[in-house]
Amino acid sequence: AQSVTQPDIHITVSEGASLELRCNYSYGATPYLFWYVQSPGQGLQLLLKYFSGDTLVQGIKGFEAEFKRSQSSFNLRKPSVHWSDAAEYFCAVGANYGGSQGNLIFGKGTKLSVKP
Amino acid sequence: EPEVTQTPSHQVTQMGQEVILRCVPISNHLYFYWYRQILGQKVEFLVSFYNNEISEKSEIFDDQFSVERPDGSNFTLKIRSTKLEDSAMYFCASKRQGPQETQYFGPGTRLLVL
Repeated sequence: AQSVTQPDIHITVSEGASLELRCNYSYGATPYLFWYVQSPGQGLQLLLKYFSGDTLVQGIKGFEAEFKRSQSSFNLRKPSVHWSDAAEYFCAVGANYGGSQGNLIFGKGTKLSVKP
Repeated sequence: EPEVTQTPSHQVTQMGQEVILRCVPISNHLYFYWYRQILGQKVEFLVSFYNNEISEKSEIFDDQFSVERPDGSNFTLKIRSTKLEDSAMYFCASKRQGPQETQYFGPGTRLLVL
């Protein structure tokens, strides 16, 4: 069955420190992978996505993610965290089997807190 | 920048009542989705809608749920007889076409069933 695992429920980092949020997926076909961010009271905003090609993808707000097929991972990184990055981050895989309309399968999310 | 809108932002209802959650997708989008997020849990897919019919639905989307696109702009989710466990944040999403297109999410409707 398709699934997404985000092993870290809550992470706290200091402002200016680097960040890595982990995501592992289980999917039979070539996955379409996404990272979304949700600020309190807001909807889900796309940070970046991977479909094919270069396995290191750049997103908005200085985020990047690397697709590693051998590890079934799609970890999100940022070299220097800002206080405004405090939010909940969701990794998702998009269904791409025949006839699928691309519904997303989400992980449970990682809540990021930023210390001043 | 175009965005997906949802109304109401919050809804409180009594168990057994019907609720209709409304969404206005981005105007040139063709695929529409509903997801829900029970407090503290992951976002879960409910249903996708394309060409005026349901494309896919999850096992959560039982006979109590229905979706409709009553006009050219609105996309609604109806829960016929709400249960306590329907309390959740409901997100609408839309995309233009194709599995590689980005889904754009609305801000959600928080539904509380008492």
